[in-house]
Amino acid sequence: RKEVEQDPGPFNVPEGATVAFNCTYSNSASQSFFWYRQDCRKEPKLLMSVYSSGNEDGRFTAQLNRASQYISLLIRDSKLSDSATYLCVVNNYGQNFVFGPGTRLSVLP
Amino acid sequence: DVKVTQSSRYLVKRTGEKVFLECVQDMDHENMFWYRQDPGLGLRLIYFSYDVKMKEKGDIPEGYSVSREKKERFSLILESASTNQTSMYLCASSLRSNQPQHFGDGTRLSIL
Repeated sequence: RKEVEQDPGPFNVPEGATVAFNCTYSNSASQSFFWYRQDCRKEPKLLMSVYSSGNEDGRFTAQLNRASQYISLLIRDSKLSDSATYLCVVNNYGQNFVFGPGTRLSVLP
Repeated sequence: DVKVTQSSRYLVKRTGEKVFLECVQDMDHENMFWYRQDPGLGLRLIYFSYDVKMKEKGDIPEGYSVSREKKERFSLILESASTNQTSMYLCASSLRSNQPQHFGDGTRLSIL
């Protein structure tokens, strides 16, 4: 089983829709969690950290479920500019980051 | 804002050449990383460094070496370039090991 797994998609959604991605991780000792976005042929950019109590940044909401070992990203009111690949990242303190393979999102006009 | 600068956006080299990829960060970060990214394989860690003159192998170190003589600079070296090293190379840095990584723009390297 891979350490971090994501549905590769693509998720094709209309503008204004709400879309959610999940990411599962296998190492129960994982301590830090992040979502990155990566545009085509560009570098990954930090979207948001994921905190135990869940956190929101504008239209984006991240949740962590330690019992089931998954994190989620919810995007409300999707914009065309949200089209990208979303990478789930898991870190065990003192160890390296493990990147998921990414979920591709296309927001359609 | 954190700035991670990679020396080249695009690079074309020949098989057998020794290739140097440079990365500089301006935020006094302790940790620096080199990844390669290939379609369908995601990001794979080549080497990382937690301090000056310190280096550790990642998941795919074969055919590569690194150098970290100064805190802000982390170099990736392809000892004898081969066509299977054609890839997008990404450098990243982080303040501490549990802090998010910040990436450079990437270098698209083609080995002919």
